[in-house]
Amino acid sequence: SQTIHQWPATLVQPVGSPLSLECTVEGTSNPNLYWYRQAAGRGLQLLFYSVGIGQISSEVPQNLSASRPQDRQFILSSKKLLLSDSGFYLCAWNANTEAFFGQGTRLTVV
Amino acid sequence: SQQGEEDPQALSIQEGENATMNCSYKTSINNLQWYRQNSGRGLVHLILIRSNEREKHSGRLRVTLDTSKKSSSLLITASRAADTASYFCATQYFGNEKLTFGTGTRLTIIP
Repeated sequence: SQTIHQWPATLVQPVGSPLSLECTVEGTSNPNLYWYRQAAGRGLQLLFYSVGIGQISSEVPQNLSASRPQDRQFILSSKKLLLSDSGFYLCAWNANTEAFFGQGTRLTVV
Repeated sequence: SQQGEEDPQALSIQEGENATMNCSYKTSINNLQWYRQNSGRGLVHLILIRSNEREKHSGRLRVTLDTSKKSSSLLITASRAADTASYFCATQYFGNEKLTFGTGTRLTIIP
């Protein structure tokens, strides 16, 4: 069966520090991969999605970047975090329709 | 933005009552999906309805889709305390597998 792993679950980082969040999927090949951010009590904002290795679409201009070095690996990065980068980050995958989500990473930038 | 919008933003009902949430979107869709999110967790897929369908059922869930009004509703019948969560609609457009989520409805079931 397919599973999705996202880590870490929580992260506290100082302003100006780098960021790397990793997401991996098991049990499927060539999935579409997504990074979403959710502000407290709000909806999901699509940050990046990828339909294949090295193919990244950015939805909003921001301080973040994404990479897909392997078919089932999706990485969210930042060179220098801002306070406004705080939030709940969710990785997800789908094949055609239904999406499966990781458990999320709570990022607090201090 | 193609993002859907749910209403109400928050809903509190007594256990046993029915809960109805609505979702509106802006452009023609391939399908619309509903997800549930418990506090601080990832989202879980509940049900999908395609653009050529008008109603779908899954257990205590009933989803309707009105493409002429670009809207959908999610009905949870005989609510339980465990139904307390946030509910999101998500849309998928033709030729694009990207999922775009709405703003969510926070549902609280009062025991």
